[in-house]
Amino acid sequence: SQTIHQWPATLVQPVGSPLSLECTVEGTSNPNLYWYRQAAGRGLQLLFYSVGIGQISSEVPQNLSASRPQDRQFILSSKKLLLSDSGFYLCAWSAGLGSPLHFGNGTRLTVT
Amino acid sequence: GENVEQHPSTLSVQEGDSAVIKCTYSDSASNYFPWYKQELGKRPQLIIDIRSNVGEKKDQRIAVTLNKTAKHFSLHITETQPEDSAVYFCAASLNAGKSTFGDGTTLTVKP
Repeated sequence: SQTIHQWPATLVQPVGSPLSLECTVEGTSNPNLYWYRQAAGRGLQLLFYSVGIGQISSEVPQNLSASRPQDRQFILSSKKLLLSDSGFYLCAWSAGLGSPLHFGNGTRLTVT
Repeated sequence: GENVEQHPSTLSVQEGDSAVIKCTYSDSASNYFPWYKQELGKRPQLIIDIRSNVGEKKDQRIAVTLNKTAKHFSLHITETQPEDSAVYFCAASLNAGKSTFGDGTTLTVKP
């Protein structure tokens, strides 16, 4: 069966520091991969999605970036965090169009 | 791009009553409509979904209806239980499987 791993679970970082969140999927090949952010009490905002290695689409302008160095690995990065980057970050995978999202357990990021 | 509106933002019902959450979408090309349940501090999980070639789908106490002409879909939960308390999100899927989410409905079921 397919599983998705996301780490770390919580992270406290100072403003201006770098960020790297990692997500890996097991048990499937060529998944679509996604990074969502959820502000407190709000919905899920799509940040990036990828349909293949090296293929990244950005949905909103921001100081975050994403990379997909391997088929089942998705990384969210920032060179310098802002206070507004605080939130709950969720990685997800799907089998493609018309398929549900399967979310990781999320990373709660607090930028101080 | 796609825009999804979800109502109500909060819903409180008595145990055993029914709950209905409604969503509208803007892009008539969307063809996949999942619903997710998110318990406090946890990840969203799929509870039911419907495709545009179907008008209604049921799974035990949960049902979803889709009106393509009006571009709206609804989640119906019957015989609600306290463990149904959570935040529910609707979504509409257009390209590459990426989903646009509604802002969520916080459902509270009072024992």
